Amino acid sequence: GAVVSQHPSRVICKSGTSVKIECRSLDFQATTMFWYRQFPKKSLMLMATSNEGSKATYEQGVEKDKFLINHASLTLSTLTVTSAHPEDSSFYICSARDLSEQFFGPGTRLTVL
Amino acid sequence: GDSVTQMEGPVTLSEEAFLTINCTYTATGYPSLFWYVQYPGEGLQLLLKATKADDKGSNKGFEATYRKETTSFHLEKGSVQVSDSAVYFCALGGGGGADGLTFGKGTHLIIQP
Repeated sequence: GAVVSQHPSRVICKSGTSVKIECRSLDFQATTMFWYRQFPKKSLMLMATSNEGSKATYEQGVEKDKFLINHASLTLSTLTVTSAHPEDSSFYICSARDLSEQFFGPGTRLTVL
Repeated sequence: GDSVTQMEGPVTLSEEAFLTINCTYTATGYPSLFWYVQYPGEGLQLLLKATKADDKGSNKGFEATYRKETTSFHLEKGSVQVSDSAVYFCALGGGGGADGLTFGKGTHLIIQP
């Protein structure tokens, strides 16, 4: 299957700083990527749909000014957690859509101190 | 809104045992249903899917049937192996998988030799 990477795999930052997470489709082009968030022992929750060359579509309750998404190319989407706080600590997972199937990245563990 | 409920683990079985992981859903419209598997240290991988009522998805010995009357999509395997140890997620989504997905909490399966 298609391969999706995420970078970094883990990041620790201080409260108030911003953190950027990259999601790349390595062997296919993806006009649409998705960002999910997973809390411990809870399901993955869709945060937003990222479309190449246009604004992201955010799910209800997700602050678009807090979680900035940029999908500048067909193989790269970035999620920037701005002014991070401890409650933003979580596991962030992206997926890239190829035809009608989503391929998932391995996830990024964010810890905000 | 849409939701997925699946049995929580961990589920521990002996090798060659029969496996059932229950999954029920609530949704508007006619979503597609999925089972994803996550092996340690890896991203989610699509295990199987069904796009309409009474469809049966199957892969690697696993099966699940889309039951509209009971709003269920239970995962089964006749004889599990140690290599099946992983976390299994039930999910639903529109567009045959092209849209963002709604996930269950995941079931950790442990197979003992």
